Amino acid sequence: QVQLVQSGAEVKKPGASVKVSCKASGYTFTGYYLHWLRQAPGQGLEWLGWISPNSAGTTYSQKFKGRVTMTRDTSMNTAYLELSRLRSDDTAVFYCAREGSNSTHAFDLWGQGTMVTVSS
Amino acid sequence: IQLTQSPSFLSTSVGDRVSITCRASQDISSYLAWYQQKPGKAPNLLIYAASTLQSGVPSRFSGSGSGTEFTLTISSLQPEDLATYYCQQLKSYPLTFGGGTKVEIK
Repeated sequence: QVQLVQSGAEVKKPGASVKVSCKASGYTFTGYYLHWLRQAPGQGLEWLGWISPNSAGTTYSQKFKGRVTMTRDTSMNTAYLELSRLRSDDTAVFYCAREGSNSTHAFDLWGQGTMVTVSS
Repeated sequence: IQLTQSPSFLSTSVGDRVSITCRASQDISSYLAWYQQKPGKAPNLLIYAASTLQSGVPSRFSGSGSGTEFTLTISSLQPEDLATYYCQQLKSYPLTFGGGTKVEIK
């Protein structure tokens, strides 16, 4: 079954870091870029960046540069998002999404989401 | 690139034709996708390249437009279409989304 399965909910204190995983199955992990996005409660979608599971190359949104790190483990077919120096406004559901092979590379497969709560 | 969706909220009846507009702050050619997000779920791709229906998506969904103005149309609204709909531009980084249109069934 083609799917992305993310790690479970996290509660963190301000200033801490969080690492979220995204495990791919049912397709060739290294064949598709993976993107990370987030959605604050009741809000819209915000793009954080992407990682190439093949090369480990990354592109980050300027807004998150310096705080975000995307990595992957090809032996585990898993990608990771680490966000540091957490603030209360980082509270959100974080999603990984596969960049499809369609003509404009829209996101054709999504993880179920990981809720990250930042609270003292 | 900013994307402005309208309306932000829509209350309509089963069987109605629904249209949602997405306007881009600059020319994005056909680099636009539409997603449906049901409550508590991840988004789901409906349309890519402005007008191409994603495999498995019902044919009542269609997309049109190019450049700066785009439309998502649901030809005959079904109860399961209760959701928030987002447009996304894939022309340039940072990738951005519209603010969403919440569709409520009367």
